[in-house]
Amino acid sequence: DVKVTQSSRYLVKRTGEKVFLECVQDMDHENMFWYRQDPGLGLRLIYFSYDVKMKEKGDIPEGYSVSREKKERFSLILESASTNQTSMYLCASSLPNQGGYTFGSGTRLTVV
Amino acid sequence: EDQVTQSPEALRLQEGESSSLNCSYTVSGLRGLFWYRQDPGKGPEFLFTLYSAGEEKEKERLKATLTKKESFLHITAPKPEDSATYLCAVQGETSGSRLTFGEGTQLTVNP
Repeated sequence: DVKVTQSSRYLVKRTGEKVFLECVQDMDHENMFWYRQDPGLGLRLIYFSYDVKMKEKGDIPEGYSVSREKKERFSLILESASTNQTSMYLCASSLPNQGGYTFGSGTRLTVV
Repeated sequence: EDQVTQSPEALRLQEGESSSLNCSYTVSGLRGLFWYRQDPGKGPEFLFTLYSAGEEKEKERLKATLTKKESFLHITAPKPEDSATYLCAVQGETSGSRLTFGEGTQLTVNP
């Protein structure tokens, strides 16, 4: 069964910590995406990548960075976590120009 | 800028009571409209892709339709297991692989 795996389901971090969220897909997809989902705001795109070592800013990149050293892995980095980054983080992957994303199960991050 | 508006925000149905969810969109050249289902605490699950006005797709009790301005997700004789949030998203000609999502409709089907 093909899938997208996010390393943690729940995470609690302190303000100011550097946080790494990991995402791995086994479908050989070129595209990978990081979204955050908040009540009343829906899904918002943080960063995406069309290929290894490539990255593009989404709609809300401030306070985040990403790394894609291998095709199957896309990491989201919170450089200095803040309480307003408490959210559900969703990773997704897809083939080029395809909108049928496969999503991971999400990481619910709480910053205290 | 692509935009997606879903209505209603929430919908409660009795088991067997058919209804429809709406997704209105504006996009610079539609390449695809997508429906996803999301269960609480999980990631969205892809349901359908629609490419052009007049197209329809079906899966069990769900049928998605598309016009030039909106899409409907029709739910026929729903069951409690159909309870979920349904998300609509569009892909425009200038979007590459990016999708613009609506905020979703939270559907509850009571037994």
